[in-house]
This record gives sequence, C-alpha cells and structure tokens, in this order.
Amino acid sequence: EVQLVESGGGVVQPGGSLRLSCAASGFTFDDYAMHWVRQAPGKGLEWVSLISGDGGSTYYADSVKGRFTISRDNSKNSLYLQMNSLRTEDTALYYCAKDIAHVDTAMVSYYFDYWGQGTLVTVSS
Amino acid sequence: QSALTQPPSVSGSPGQSVTISCTGTSSDVGSYNRVSWYQQPPGTAPKLMIYEVSNRPSGVPDRFSGSKSGNTASLTISGLQAEDEADYYCSLYTSSSTLVFGTGTKVTVL
Repeated sequence: EVQLVESGGGVVQPGGSLRLSCAASGFTFDDYAMHWVRQAPGKGLEWVSLISGDGGSTYYADSVKGRFTISRDNSKNSLYLQMNSLRTEDTALYYCAKDIAHVDTAMVSYYFDYWGQGTLVTVSS
Repeated sequence: QSALTQPPSVSGSPGQSVTISCTGTSSDVGSYNRVSWYQQPPGTAPKLMIYEVSNRPSGVPDRFSGSKSGNTASLTISGLQAEDEADYYCSLYTSSSTLVFGTGTKVTVL
C-alpha cells in the first residue's frame, strides 16, 4: 500500500525557515517524480515544486522560486522541501504527491495518484 | 500563468447529472490535453478522478467523465450520489514545466 507521510510543519515568523519532509513507502521511490502542492486555509490548490525520480531535475512555481528548494534522498525514500525567506502568504497545508508516470514511460506527467495528509505551515509574527 | 476559471458551486439532486466547467484560453486549455480533475471531500487530501482530459484511473466509477471543447474542459458526474459532495479542481500542464489548478467548485447534493 502506497503511503506518504509529511512532517516538519509548524509556526514560523516572517523571514524564517522551515524544512518539510515526506516519508514514502509502498512503491519503488526512485522510479517516480514527486511534487509538493499547497493549500492555503479555505483556499484552492497551488502546485509548488517538482523533482524527477533521480533528483536531477527540479522545477518551481514562480511564487516560490529562489526561496524554496526541493530535494530527495532515494536511499531513505524521502522527499524534502527547504523553505527560506518565508512570507505570510506561504501559510498553507503542504502536501507531497506522487506522480503517476513511471520513469520508463516519462520523467513526469503532472498527474498525482497518491497524496499525503499534509503538514501545516503557519507564517506569522 | 493565471488560475483556470471554475464556477464556485454547482448542485443537483441524487441521480441527476452535473457538469463542472474549467475555462482557460486558446494558449492553455485550448492548446494542451494535459487536463486532470481532482475530488477533495472536506478535511481530506485530493483524489485523482480524471487525467489526460478523459481517462479514469482504476477504481474511479464510470459515473465520472471528462471532456474538452475549445478553451473549456468539463467534468460530468452522472447519477449523482451523496458521497460525491466535495470540492473539485481541474488542473493543466502546459509546456512551461509548471502546473496550474482551477479555482475550485463545490458540488452540493441536494
């Protein structure tokens, strides 16, 4: 059974930093690209970032480019999001999500077949 | 890239059909078929319902169907059931290596 479990959320002041983690199980982790998607309280979904299965390619939404860094450790089946220079508008529930495409068919499809339950990040003074 | 436009809410009685629209422009929805739909019941993570405009992942009931015409993609729920009450989001990938979601639609079963 595929499981994605996020952790690392919390309350941080504007300008601060936070590192999110996502522990994956139930599938061959390095065969799939992984994503971070966030949802502000009472708002819609916003794609944040993507990393390829081998970690060699990363992409970011314009809203976080230059401030957030996505990474993965395939030996630990773990995905990370380092968030620096946090702003109040970064307050959201952060989900990690698995891409549906296996590496043999495509690097990424931007379709998410499994999601974690999310970890809440609150940026407030 | 701006968010795709969805109606804030749609409603229907059990057994009826409802359709949710997802409107973009000729540069995004009109030019690409990487459209997907997600269902998000209150307090839960989203679930993939449709990908590549009209494909259903295994386990998704065939009451859910997707289509696209011009600059608008659509999700139709036929034979509406109480368990279908949720927020629904479309999403689109273009060639810019980023993904945009729709504004979201709340489906209410009367």
